[in-house]
Amino acid sequence: GAVVSQHPSRVICKSGTSVKIECRSLDFQATTMFWYRQFPKQSLMLMATSNEGSKATYEQGVEKDKFLINHASLTLSTLTVTSAHPEDSSFYICSARTGTTGELFFGEGSRLTVL
Amino acid sequence: QKEVEQNSGPLSVPEGAIASLNCTYSDRVSQSFFWYRQYSGKSPELIMSIYSNGDKEDGRFTAQLNKASQYVSLLIRDSQPSDSATYLCAVMGKGDSWGKLQFGAGTQVVVTP
Repeated sequence: GAVVSQHPSRVICKSGTSVKIECRSLDFQATTMFWYRQFPKQSLMLMATSNEGSKATYEQGVEKDKFLINHASLTLSTLTVTSAHPEDSSFYICSARTGTTGELFFGEGSRLTVL
Repeated sequence: QKEVEQNSGPLSVPEGAIASLNCTYSDRVSQSFFWYRQYSGKSPELIMSIYSNGDKEDGRFTAQLNKASQYVSLLIRDSQPSDSATYLCAVMGKGDSWGKLQFGAGTQVVVTP
């Protein structure tokens, strides 16, 4: 299957700092990428849709000024958690689709811990 | 009402038996359906996709779709301990941008030796 790479896999930061997470499609071009968040024992919740060359579309309840998304190229999208707080601690997973079937492939995920 | 519903489990299955997972969805015009497997602490991995009514088989996995009943299922034959994971059902609606999926809460499967 298609490969989506995410970095870093784990990050620990202090409250009030910002953290950037990168998502790359390694063997295909992704005009659209998706960012999900997953809290322990819960399912994936879509945060935003990242579109190459345009502004991201955020889901209801997701603060766009807190979760900055940049999709500057066809293979890279970044999520920056600004002024992180302990409640932002979660598993953040990016995903991208390939082809026209809608199949979605996920990155390895980034576990964020805010102290 | 949740858009995609799954029994949370855990579903305990003896090794070698068939695991049967069910998923119902509320949006009647949903077009595409997917099953993902997620191991603890890992990201989801695509197992099956199904788009039309009927059965689709891939190795030990069989997905079944019934759009009239708004029901999709996954069968795992000859279950192995390595199949122990959470299985997520995902649905893409007709009006949704490609790749934008709604996920169920997942069913935890435990295969016992």
